[in-house]
Amino acid sequence: DGGITQSPKYLFRKEGQNVTLSCEQNLNHDAMYWYRQDPGQGLRLIYYSQIVNDFQKGDIAEGYSVSREKKESFPLTVTSAQKNPTAFYLCASSAVADRTQPQHFGDGTRLSIL
Amino acid sequence: SQQGEEDPQALSIQEGENATMNCSYKTSINNLQWYRQNSGRGLVHLILIRSNEREKHSGRLRVTLDTSKKSSSLLITASRAADTASYFCATRDTGFQKLVFGTGTRLLVSP
Repeated sequence: DGGITQSPKYLFRKEGQNVTLSCEQNLNHDAMYWYRQDPGQGLRLIYYSQIVNDFQKGDIAEGYSVSREKKESFPLTVTSAQKNPTAFYLCASSAVADRTQPQHFGDGTRLSIL
Repeated sequence: SQQGEEDPQALSIQEGENATMNCSYKTSINNLQWYRQNSGRGLVHLILIRSNEREKHSGRLRVTLDTSKKSSSLLITASRAADTASYFCATRDTGFQKLVFGTGTRLLVSP
């Protein structure tokens, strides 16, 4: 089935450690997104990419980094500079050409501090 | 922040009743979308309404859009316990690909 796969489902980070969240899609979508969701809150955009080898900062990019070397993959690294990383992270993808196409979401990674 | 606001933050109803949730936003939009999120899961797209549309139906869902007031509402008719979830509106503005999400309404439908 076509969809978005995020891994791992749960992740724990030690102080000073960088961690990488995986996001893979087989929907042949050009655009991919990373969101952060805090308890009881909406989604805030961290980074997005509309094409391979290109990405833009979202509203809360500080302390995060991404790469887009392949169309199918958009990994997110939470660096040690992100002082409050505990949150639910969601990856999404969409077709770029048509703005009426919805975003498709993975089932998220829950990141906690050890 | 450009996040929209949703109202109410939480809603508790009985099965069979209707649920109405509202969304306000801040900028000119190309379209507005509603998503559903079950606890601990990703979001699922429910319905999209374009800026030149005023009302749209999909099954038990009815969405209205008032661009003069920058607001939208989602009505779920004859609710079921399985409708229990958080519901988010998201706007896509006229210039960019990214969506701006509201703060969400948590709906609890009791049997």
